[in-house]
Amino acid sequence: DGGITQSPKYLFRKEGQNVTLSCEQNLNHDAMYWYRQDPGQGLRLIYYSQIVNDFQKGDIAEGYSVSREKKESFPLTVTSAQKNPTAFYLCASSNSGTRGADTQYFGPGTRLTVL
Amino acid sequence: AQSVTQLGSHVSVSEGALVLLRCNYSSSVPPYLFWYVQYPNQGLQLLLKYTTGATLVKGINGFEAEFKKSETSFHLTKPSAHMSDAAEYFCAVSRNTGNQFYFGTGTSLTVIP
Repeated sequence: DGGITQSPKYLFRKEGQNVTLSCEQNLNHDAMYWYRQDPGQGLRLIYYSQIVNDFQKGDIAEGYSVSREKKESFPLTVTSAQKNPTAFYLCASSNSGTRGADTQYFGPGTRLTVL
Repeated sequence: AQSVTQLGSHVSVSEGALVLLRCNYSSSVPPYLFWYVQYPNQGLQLLLKYTTGATLVKGINGFEAEFKKSETSFHLTKPSAHMSDAAEYFCAVSRNTGNQFYFGTGTSLTVIP
């Protein structure tokens, strides 16, 4: 089955630690995205990548980093510089990063909690 | 800049009653419009989308939405609510170029038996 997988489903981090969230897709999509979801605030874009080896900052990129070395993978690192990282993180992908009509498909999410 | 407004962060309906979830957008040009549903601790699932053509769009699970350019709206409806419709619903818009989505803050739907 084609789809997007995110791991782990739940993640606990101590203050001052970096953590990496995994996102893998087998849909052969060019574009991938990371969103942060907080209660009552909808989804906010962290980073996106339209093609391998290229990515752009979204609206709330501070304290986060990404890489896109393979088409299938777009890991997100939450660094210690992110002051309030406790949230639900969603990864998405779309066929193209340049066509507004393309649907974004979402993974099941990772819930990160800072202890 | 794009923005999306979902009126009503919480909506309650009785089972069998009409569901109406409101979405208004601001855009200098007609955008592409999407509705997603999210069940607790899960990702988002596409319900329907409007790109071009017929302004009344039918989606999964009996939902539909109508694009009204004059009202800059894309409200989501379902004639008869089912208990399984209880979830969070998000409206989103994207630009004509690029695929960056702008999401509303969501509407939580409760279905009362």
